Amino acid sequence: QVQLVESGGGVVQPGGSLRLSCAASGFTFSTHGMHWVRQGPGKGLEWVAFTRYDEGHKWYADSVKGRFAISRDNSRNTLYLQMDSLRTEDTAIYYCAKPQGAVTGYFDYWGRGTLVTVSS
Amino acid sequence: EIVLTQSPATVSLSPGERATLSCRASQSVSTYLAWYQQKPDQAPRLLIYDASNRATGVPARFSGSGSGTDFTLTISSLEPEDFAVYYCQQRGNWPPFLTFGGGTKVEIK
Repeated sequence: QVQLVESGGGVVQPGGSLRLSCAASGFTFSTHGMHWVRQGPGKGLEWVAFTRYDEGHKWYADSVKGRFAISRDNSRNTLYLQMDSLRTEDTAIYYCAKPQGAVTGYFDYWGRGTLVTVSS
Repeated sequence: EIVLTQSPATVSLSPGERATLSCRASQSVSTYLAWYQQKPDQAPRLLIYDASNRATGVPARFSGSGSGTDFTLTISSLEPEDFAVYYCQQRGNWPPFLTFGGGTKVEIK
């Protein structure tokens, strides 16, 4: 069965950096695009970033463009999110999410998330 | 950016009652709209995609309708496990934009 397991969250000061990882299993990772979605404390969901299966295309939410970078290692079935110049408003649970089949704009599997707290 | 507005923010209902949740888009998204259910301390779960198609394993009491800018999620008869927060999400202008609504909480009356 599909499993997505995020790691790498923690507490970081404003202006700091963090790299999140998402280990995928149960499907052919190398043929699927992948997303990151976040949820602030007590808030709704916000799409963050997407990479095509071969990293040929990457897209970002305006709120993170220029600060976050999505990448992947298909040999390790792992998705990454490098987060730089972190702000307090980046505090959230970060989920990796698999797109539904050939349609990359919906999410049919999610990990349990990893908490990022940006605070001084 | 397409903004999704969900209403009501909270609805209080009893088990067995019918729930009707609304999602309105600031511009047309055709039928490119999904609904998700999220329970406390859990990741969201895809319920409905392309406005009216149930995802794998979703009970028939969940149904979606609408097109253009107005969408509805209906739960025909609430089960105890249906009390949760529901989000709509559009992919009408994907790539590069994907947006979620603010959510509707269905709570026990």
